[in-house]
Amino acid sequence: ELKVEQNPLFLSMQEGKNYTIYCNYSTTSDRLYWYRQDPGKSLESLFVLLSNGAVKQEGRLMASLDTKARLSTLHITAAVHDLSATYFCAVVSGYALNFGKGTSLLVTP
Amino acid sequence: GAGVSQSPSNKVTEKGKDVELRCDPISGHTALYWYRQRLGQGLEFLIYFQGNSAPDKSGLPSDRFSAERTGESVSTLTIQRTQQEDSAVYLCASSLGTSQYNEQFFGPGTRLTVL
Repeated sequence: ELKVEQNPLFLSMQEGKNYTIYCNYSTTSDRLYWYRQDPGKSLESLFVLLSNGAVKQEGRLMASLDTKARLSTLHITAAVHDLSATYFCAVVSGYALNFGKGTSLLVTP
Repeated sequence: GAGVSQSPSNKVTEKGKDVELRCDPISGHTALYWYRQRLGQGLEFLIYFQGNSAPDKSGLPSDRFSAERTGESVSTLTIQRTQQEDSAVYLCASSLGTSQYNEQFFGPGTRLTVL
């Protein structure tokens, strides 16, 4: 059974600071997603990582994938309040997505 | 609209009642998925439909849960004799096809509360 673990589960950070969210998974997969979820809203796709060493950046967020270590990271640079949300990583297994429990991020002034 | 839609957005029911949740996928998307999100948790896969093929029901938690899909359009998820543990947000997603490289697009979800 594929297991996906994220840490931390809760993160409070000040505006302007940097931080990294980690996503570990237990079995081989060749595709990993990062999603954002705002309270009461559905999931918004942020990044799709397809291969070892893949790195993608959008604004203050950068995601990377190390398939050998079965690890993905989501790095936040100079956080702003608008980034407050819950972030999920999800790993493809067959056709279904296996999700981590999510990281609730709160960015404070 | 262009996205996945779900109804109702909220449903409150009494323990033991049956509920039916609806999902309208993106037009042209042959694959449809149901997930459950319990409070503070990630999403759990429930069931997968692809065209006219037999659905993959491997994620359904009990025989109280069932789902149907009419061709490549609307799907309904039915929960019979609801229990308090069924309280969750039920999310539907659709994708273009069977390839695992087809991105899944999620609907807004139905929040189910069982009293």
